Amino acid sequence: SQQGEEDPQALSIQEGENATMNCSYKTSINNLQWYRQNSGRGLVHLILIRSNEREKHSGRLRVTLDTSKKSSSLLITASRAADTASYFCATDAGFGNEKLTFGTGTRLTIIP
Amino acid sequence: KAGVTQTPRYLIKTRGQQVTLSCSPISGHRSVSWYQQTPGQGLQFLFEYFSETQRNKGNFPGRFSGRQFSNSRSEMNVSTLELGDSALYLCASSSPAAGDQETQYFGPGTRLLVL
Repeated sequence: SQQGEEDPQALSIQEGENATMNCSYKTSINNLQWYRQNSGRGLVHLILIRSNEREKHSGRLRVTLDTSKKSSSLLITASRAADTASYFCATDAGFGNEKLTFGTGTRLTIIP
Repeated sequence: KAGVTQTPRYLIKTRGQQVTLSCSPISGHRSVSWYQQTPGQGLQFLFEYFSETQRNKGNFPGRFSGRQFSNSRSEMNVSTLELGDSALYLCASSSPAAGDQETQYFGPGTRLLVL
């Protein structure tokens, strides 16, 4: 079963605008990761944030984590056409239980 | 380093047949996990192997099985295929350090179509 929901399910924005996606999860976590998937291909790892971290940056990506609300957000700044993809959050419960539980995903479309 | 590789990339089978999928992890990675992705159920965890031992298992029927070899390569097998087994099967490898979880790196997937 899915760990939680991602919001919105689909998002279309103009190239150059910022895109924000939200993820909610249900149980305690060790880490939360964000992945990108292009057209049913493999998942590309974007960023990992640990449960004791609140914010993390990587290039044009900014991730926040609020463990009290069991939620995370992914911000992509200055979007590009190549950012068009599905984005998934995934959580794990820690060492010895590394299975990832994925959210439902957000389909992001960047309009040139 | 070479990434995670999966073979075959595409597969067509008929109901009742069995199938074996292969995954070669990133060199040095000892943990291999398998996931099934379908439009209806999304990404679902199948099982995880670490040092040739199944360490975690998802909620899939016994028709789904796997194994890991001493070189960390892994195979998963699905017996008595059903139409609902049509999916993208993804393999991921990681190198978990003691007490911490590292990033899981995914392969390109094997797309299985059951007719």
